[in-house]
Amino acid sequence: GQQLNQSPQSMFIQEGEDVSMNCTSSSIFNTWLWYKQDPGEGPVLLIALYKAGELTSNGRLTAQFGITRKDSFLNISASIPSDVGIYFCAGQLSTGTASKLTFGTGTRLQVTL
Amino acid sequence: NAGVTQTPKFQVLKTGQSMTLQCAQDMNHNSMYWYRQDPGMGLRLIYYSASEGTTDKGEVPNGYNVSRLNKREFSLRLESAAPSQTSVYFCASRDTNTGELFFGEGSRLTVL
Repeated sequence: GQQLNQSPQSMFIQEGEDVSMNCTSSSIFNTWLWYKQDPGEGPVLLIALYKAGELTSNGRLTAQFGITRKDSFLNISASIPSDVGIYFCAGQLSTGTASKLTFGTGTRLQVTL
Repeated sequence: NAGVTQTPKFQVLKTGQSMTLQCAQDMNHNSMYWYRQDPGMGLRLIYYSASEGTTDKGEVPNGYNVSRLNKREFSLRLESAAPSQTSVYFCASRDTNTGELFFGEGSRLTVL
């Protein structure tokens, strides 16, 4: 099955630093979603992108839908300890009932004080 | 708000035993999904149900069966558990207007 290439696989950063991660696909998508998973929990949606070129922010998080529709990136500014977790990108071709999300392999973020 | 509720949260099985993971959502979503999560593999789709009365295979359906009991409930069954099925299982339902998936808290299954 297809999976998205997500990088980096893991990051160790200091509190206050900015973080950048990205996702690439061999197929185009019409929707990109970014999820965060806290330890022992299910993933929770951070940002949804519905249009090529779209740049969307949610607090310290900013995500962009690539122009080619085959990539997306997520930036976190001024990281804090609660940013620790696994970040997943996900893409889908349509939002119809039969459409499925394809997930990236995740970026594990560790924040040190 | 309950959202998506999965049970049990933890289970240990012996090889060959059977069990069913239960999932219910209270958001009136048509689509429901079962994923498994393994280290370094992300989330892989096992089965999904686009609407009540329909089910379809995902990427990794072998060794599993599902039942969409009604609009709220979607269960995952392991008929004869194998160590390769040791994983964390997530149920999700989807808002088809936005495409957003809502996940349960996960069920950690260990097969010895």
